[in-house]
Amino acid sequence: AQSVTQLDSQVPVFEEAPVELRCNYSSSVSVYLFWYVQYPNQGLQLLLKYLSGSTLVKGINGFEAEFNKSQTSFHLRKPSVHISDTAEYFCALSTQGGSEKLVFGKGTKLTVNP
Amino acid sequence: NAGVMQNPRHLVRRRGQEARLRCSPMKGHSHVYWYRQLPEEGLKFMVYLQKENIIDESGMPKERFSAEFPKEGPSILRIQQVVRGDSAAYFCASSTRRQGSGELFFGEGSRLTVL
Repeated sequence: AQSVTQLDSQVPVFEEAPVELRCNYSSSVSVYLFWYVQYPNQGLQLLLKYLSGSTLVKGINGFEAEFNKSQTSFHLRKPSVHISDTAEYFCALSTQGGSEKLVFGKGTKLTVNP
Repeated sequence: NAGVMQNPRHLVRRRGQEARLRCSPMKGHSHVYWYRQLPEEGLKFMVYLQKENIIDESGMPKERFSAEFPKEGPSILRIQQVVRGDSAAYFCASSTRRQGSGELFFGEGSRLTVL
C-alpha cells in the first residue's frame, strides 16, 4: 500500500520569507507525485507534478518541488511568499501504470502574515 | 471551457434522509473519481467510475453509499439514511485516463451537513 506523510500540519510565515512544506511518501512501486493547493471553500488546484525526468519541478505561482528518490521525499518550496499564498497544500501520489487514483497526505495549512 | 461541475455546493440533511451529489466531468473526460474530505483530514478516495462501470470502489463504505456514472448525465454519489458522521466535503475529479498524465481535475466540492 502507498502512503503520504506531510510532516507539518501548520506553517506560519511572514510575507516575503521563504517557505518549505515537507512531504514524504512510501510505496513499493514507482509513483507520480503531485502538489495541490486548496483555497478556503474551493476545490483543489494542481500546483505541480513529477512524472519523470528532471527531479526539480517548477509549478505555478512561483512554487517548485524536488523529487528525492533515496529519501522518498517531494518537498515544496517558494523563495518569497505572498499573503495570497495562504491556503492548504496537499501532497499526493499515484502509481505508475495504475489509474489516476490519488493518495493524499493530510495537508499543510500555510498562513502568510504581513 | 467548463471545468468539473458539482452540485449542490451545499446540502443540509437531517439524520435518516438521503443525500444525492452530482458531478459533471470536464468535456472529453470519461473517468470520474469521488473523494471525501473530513475536517483536519486529507482527501480520502471513495470510488472510481467510467461510464456505466464501477472500476474501483475500495474506499466506499460498505453500507448506505453508492455511486453511478450512467451513459448519459452526471455521476451521482448517493448516501442513504445519512448520519452526522457523513458531514464532510465531497469532491469529484475527472480525467481522460491518458496514459502517463496522472492528473486529476477537481470540482469545487459539495459540502454536506447532517443535522
